[in-house]
Amino acid sequence: DSGVTQTPKHLITATGQRVTLRCSPRSGDLSVYWYQQSLDQGLQFLIQYYNGEERAKGNILERFSAQQFPDLHSELNLSSLELGDSALYFCASSVEPTNTEAFFGQGTRLTVV
Amino acid sequence: DAKTTQPNSMESNEEEPVHLPCNHSTISGTDYIHWYRQLPSQGPEYVIHGLTSNVNNRMASLAIAEDRKSSTLILHRATLRDAAVYYCILRNTGNQFYFGTGTSLTVIP
Repeated sequence: DSGVTQTPKHLITATGQRVTLRCSPRSGDLSVYWYQQSLDQGLQFLIQYYNGEERAKGNILERFSAQQFPDLHSELNLSSLELGDSALYFCASSVEPTNTEAFFGQGTRLTVV
Repeated sequence: DAKTTQPNSMESNEEEPVHLPCNHSTISGTDYIHWYRQLPSQGPEYVIHGLTSNVNNRMASLAIAEDRKSSTLILHRATLRDAAVYYCILRNTGNQFYFGTGTSLTVIP
């Protein structure tokens, strides 16, 4: 158990819908990262937050957004869902933003039908 | 973004050492080299990281070339539980880290 909790574990929704994925980082970790893993793309970095502020942005679509709340949990919002958004979404956390190990959750498997 | 190149797959016999190579010829002076592994149906798991010197921990050793353009993750005695996809990642000053395609390690009993 990495200490990072992601909910829900599975999500099935229809095209065009909007979903919210939630991540609770390890106690004491200030940085949260979001990744998307699909079969044909591998692990893609989406976005990073540090202590409530956006720190780095990767290949995140405009239809996707994220935020980190004062209690340090984070949410990834996916809207206008398309079939191609079906993937595993991982959250990771670390104590600091620089060059420390990151701990990954078990992921949320999103299926868009 | 600095990129890494790894073989797609490797095989090892159980209880033998495994050397997983990674090329990162465009590495910058401030990039740390991280290794993670991902077991089936699980999130990635940290293995080891380093900057210039070789590093050891309870899971593995990391050997970094003098010019830092390549590194090797060493598993001293492979077990069946080590079968996973191993990712070599460069962590840059922007604090992002990008996963490549990784090396799928098969451990043969």
